[in-house]
Amino acid sequence: IAGITQAPTSQILAAGRRMTLRCTQDMRHNAMYWYRQDLGLGLRLIHYSNTAGTTGKGEVPDGYSVSRANTDDFPLTLASAVPSQTSVYFCASSDIEGSGGSNEQYFGPGTRLTVT
Amino acid sequence: KQEVTQIPAALSVPEGENLVLNCSFTDSAIYNLQWFRQDPGKGLTSLLLIQSSQREQTSGRLNASLDKSSGRSTLYIAASQPGDSATYLCAVPYSGAGSYQLTFGKGTKLSVIP
Repeated sequence: IAGITQAPTSQILAAGRRMTLRCTQDMRHNAMYWYRQDLGLGLRLIHYSNTAGTTGKGEVPDGYSVSRANTDDFPLTLASAVPSQTSVYFCASSDIEGSGGSNEQYFGPGTRLTVT
Repeated sequence: KQEVTQIPAALSVPEGENLVLNCSFTDSAIYNLQWFRQDPGKGLTSLLLIQSSQREQTSGRLNASLDKSSGRSTLYIAASQPGDSATYLCAVPYSGAGSYQLTFGKGTKLSVIP
């Protein structure tokens, strides 16, 4: 059982470059999320998707975009990376209430991104 | 806006001791609360999920309680072991109906000394 996979594991990126972080889940969960984790600030929500075809903004969405073309994949794109986007990025998924789920969230292993 | 606080930020205990980690939240209109564990350089592992209709949930040596009216949850770890050393995070849904996204506390870093 893979659960949630993220790629790449880590990346060093020059400022101004475009980057897509990949996230795939095999649990058929309807909801997916992207968080960033920074020392002293904890985990903060970037974007989310309650079901395929819909997305929403979280606490810190600026500079990021997402798409949800199908149930399994939820890529996060940095259109033009800046040093303040240096962080560890976590993807998560859950089966939300209303579809019989408990909304227990499961996390991927993370992507460590450094923007220079 | 939902805010989650975890106290203490760090805790060091000798092996075998029972301990309690605390979590408080500002908006009591939640439908569940989740406790996670995070090892250094790793992702989050879900430990326990308590639904709003429950008062507590148990898994092995872990017991989590929820008091919505006071905006508090505790995670009790019995007979602590060095392998329990990690950061423990609690999280609750954002405020508002249909809100499934989580707000996290900043965690309690636990060290269990052999």
